[in-house]
Amino acid sequence: KQEVTQIPAALSVPEGENLVLNCSFTDSAIYNLQWFRQDPGKGLTSLLLIQSSQREQTSGRLNASLDKSSGRSTLYIAASQPGDSATYLCAVRPPDSWGKLQFGAGTQVVVTP
Amino acid sequence: EAGVAQSPRYKIIEKRQSVAFWCNPISGHATLYWYQQILGQGPKLLIQFQNNGVVDDSQLPKDRFSAERLKGVDSTLKIQPAKLEDSAVYLCASSLGTDFNEQFFGPGTRLTVL
Repeated sequence: KQEVTQIPAALSVPEGENLVLNCSFTDSAIYNLQWFRQDPGKGLTSLLLIQSSQREQTSGRLNASLDKSSGRSTLYIAASQPGDSATYLCAVRPPDSWGKLQFGAGTQVVVTP
Repeated sequence: EAGVAQSPRYKIIEKRQSVAFWCNPISGHATLYWYQQILGQGPKLLIQFQNNGVVDDSQLPKDRFSAERLKGVDSTLKIQPAKLEDSAVYLCASSLGTDFNEQFFGPGTRLTVL
């Protein structure tokens, strides 16, 4: 059974520092991996989607890498800003699913001015 | 482009009462998902529709939860009767299809069962 883990559960960084968020999964047979952002009381906003054949995806200050063999993905956020404060979740799509995502519990990030 | 719409945004009920949530997906999205997110956890899929047919409801507590997607567009999720452990945020998401499955989420409905 696929399990997705995000450690740490929370972290606080000063503004300007680079953020590194980790996601690990137990079964390397995934169809793709998606990173989301969730603000308090809000739904999820898709940040990046990495197909299983890709090694990384970039969007602006965000870069996500995928290493299927070791069951890991890392989300990098460069030059963090207070507006980056949110909970970040990763989710994997198992290959035998119809598209359903298996989520981690998320990492709550606070960027202090 | 309009996003996924959900209503109501908040609902407070007593245990054993019934409640219904509504979702309108992004126009043209064939696949619709209902997730349950308990505080401090990631979302868990309850049910997935492809057009108006169910493709995955393996984690739906069918003795109390039901969902339908009439005409392959809007969807309704119902809980009857509610239990205390049903307190959660109910998220609706949609995608173009199961192959192009970048999922887009609505704002969610926060349910509190007293």
